[in-house]
Amino acid sequence: GQQLNQSPQSMFIQEGEDVSMNCTSSSIFNTWLWYKQDPGEGPVLLIALYKAGELTSNGRLTAQFGITRKDSFLNISASIPSDVGIYFCAGPGGGNTGTASKLTFGTGTRLQVTL
Amino acid sequence: AAGVIQSPRHLIKEKRETATLKCYPIPRHDTVYWYQQGPGQDPQFLISFYEKMQSDKGSIPDRFSAQQFSDYHSELNMSSLELGDSALYFCASSLMGAGNTIYFGEGSWLTVV
Repeated sequence: GQQLNQSPQSMFIQEGEDVSMNCTSSSIFNTWLWYKQDPGEGPVLLIALYKAGELTSNGRLTAQFGITRKDSFLNISASIPSDVGIYFCAGPGGGNTGTASKLTFGTGTRLQVTL
Repeated sequence: AAGVIQSPRHLIKEKRETATLKCYPIPRHDTVYWYQQGPGQDPQFLISFYEKMQSDKGSIPDRFSAQQFSDYHSELNMSSLELGDSALYFCASSLMGAGNTIYFGEGSWLTVV
């Protein structure tokens, strides 16, 4: 089946630093989604990417859909303590554009921010 | 904006009991998904419904069943509960054709003792 590998697995950074994490797949996706999950809470959608090469920002977050459609990265600029959490990339299964498909989640990147 | 609503938020059951989780999707969303997340794991897809019909099935045990009702809410029924069923259960919803963007509820914590 499809697998999404995220790196790094975890990061310890200082407040104010920029963060970069990426997600790679063994197969092509037509949509990439980035979620943040706090402990015991549901994943919250941060950014959705729909086209290869697309670069999208949401406040201090920037994400790009790789040209090969097999990877994506998420950058967080000027991190703050509330950025702590687990970041998941996700892609719809089957890669069928326009159909509602189950999500395959990446392995997650745990971010910890120190003051 | 309205989000995906799940109930109950927390549930404690004994082994071999039955539990039912409810999910109310975002208004106008026609697709509902159920995911299970164990401690330290990423969410695993269980089952989904589109327009009240099962649309996809993942790693859902035979002891579990689900359905989507005419008002689009969904229920996940879990019987003969086992200790290993203890997890966070998420419901998510989306609108067909809206770019595969899926929104999650806050989850229901099930603890089986």
